[in-house]
Amino acid sequence: QLVLTQSPSASASLGASVKLTCTLNSGRSSYAIAWHQQQPEKGPRYLLKVNSDGSHSKGDGIPDRFSGSSSGAERYLTISSLQSEDEADYYCQAWGTGIHVFGTGTKVTVL
Amino acid sequence: EEQLVQSGAEVKKPGESLRISCRGSGFTFTNYWINWVRQVPGKGLEWMGRIDPRDSYTSYSPSFGGHVTLSVDKSISTAYLQWSSLKASDTAMYYCARRIYYDPYGLIDFWGQGTLVTVSS
Repeated sequence: QLVLTQSPSASASLGASVKLTCTLNSGRSSYAIAWHQQQPEKGPRYLLKVNSDGSHSKGDGIPDRFSGSSSGAERYLTISSLQSEDEADYYCQAWGTGIHVFGTGTKVTVL
Repeated sequence: EEQLVQSGAEVKKPGESLRISCRGSGFTFTNYWINWVRQVPGKGLEWMGRIDPRDSYTSYSPSFGGHVTLSVDKSISTAYLQWSSLKASDTAMYYCARRIYYDPYGLIDFWGQGTLVTVSS
C-alpha cells in the first residue's frame, strides 16, 4: 500500500527558503509525485510534479521560486524567497494500485 | 482558460439525497479522469474515487465505496458526486480534480473550487 509521509510543520523567515519533504514508502522510490498548495480558506492548487530522477515540471503560472527535487524515496519542494502568501498547507500526492494517495500535509509558517 | 466549476454550497438534513456537480471547460474533458476529494474542516485531503468520462468506468476508495456514487455526462463535460442518504459525518468540502488518463503516475494537475456540504438536523 502506497504511503506518503510529510512533516506536520515547517517555518522560515520572510525572504528565506524552506524545503519540504515527502517520503514514499518502501519499494516506491521510482514514483513521481505532485505537490499541491492550499492557502487558508482556499481550495488546493497544483504546483508541480517531481520525478524520481529529480526533474520537475510546474503548473501554469507557478512562480519560479517553487522548485522540486528528489533523492531516493524522498521528494522535495523548495520555496525560495518566501513571501507572506506562501503561508499555506502543502500536500504531496501520488497514485498507486488504482488509488490516489495524499500525504498528511505540511503547514508552512512565514515568520 | 481551463476551468473546473463546481456547484454551489448545500445544506441538507440527515437521510436526504444530494448530487453535486463539476463542469469542465477549456480542455478536452474526455482526456481526463475526474477525481473527487473530501476535506473535513481542519483536516487533510482524502481521495474518494474517480470516473473516466470516456466510458464512465469508476473506481472508489474502500473508505467511500458504497456510500457515494460517481457519474458523468460527457455531452456537457460534467461529473457528479451523489449521496442517496446523507449523514452528519458527510459535512465537508468536496473538490473535483482532474488527472490526464494516460499519465502512468496518475498525478492531479487541476482542481475545482470546491463545494461545501453541510448536513445537519
